[in-house]
Amino acid sequence: EAGVAQSPRYKIIEKRQSVAFWCNPISGHATLYWYQQILGQGPKLLIQFQNNGVVDDSQLPKDRFSAERLKGVDSTLKIQPAKLEDSAVYLCASRLTGSSYEQYFGPGTRLTVT
Amino acid sequence: DAKTTQPTSMDCAEGRAANLPCNHSTISGNEYVYWYRQIHSQGPQYIIHGLKNNETNEMASLIITEDRKSSTLILPHATLRDTAVYYCIVRGTASKLTFGTGTRLQVTL
Repeated sequence: EAGVAQSPRYKIIEKRQSVAFWCNPISGHATLYWYQQILGQGPKLLIQFQNNGVVDDSQLPKDRFSAERLKGVDSTLKIQPAKLEDSAVYLCASRLTGSSYEQYFGPGTRLTVT
Repeated sequence: DAKTTQPTSMDCAEGRAANLPCNHSTISGNEYVYWYRQIHSQGPQYIIHGLKNNETNEMASLIITEDRKSSTLILPHATLRDTAVYYCIVRGTASKLTFGTGTRLQVTL
């Protein structure tokens, strides 16, 4: 079974530029999550999708961050404009809806904002 | 969701059992205890979860105290590849996971 795919793996941008990350979840997983992990901290949930609908985006900085999952499969997370404090690893995870709450994580995208 | 407290770091000799404690004294009756680990430069990986009873799978065992206020993750024969940050998470009715800073386990020769 293929895992969660993310791209790019690494990205370096200057502050005030825009950046987008892509995630392809495990086939059949209806729930998709985006996390932000700052160095030395645990992952922090940014947004949760159920199919193509948003379930929880309470911790998403909506003035600069946006995410979509148009067809209920792939998802993109965008930052516009980026700030220095956005430097982090952005993790995507997916889950098969049902009784199990096991989340499967991708390898993440490491973003450096200079 | 209830907060968890874990030691910042632990060491374990290869081949020995690694016992990772977690305190969750404010856990409520319908909250599960989950354990994930994160190996360097990888995404977190699910290990095990439980509600009341002790659980065991091919990776680890989870021991939950009778009052459910604490738990211990046991890696029975730690190897160098088990070096990672281990997160203990209490999850309520929502499906989201709230990660703390975890325990950094270093397995040594």
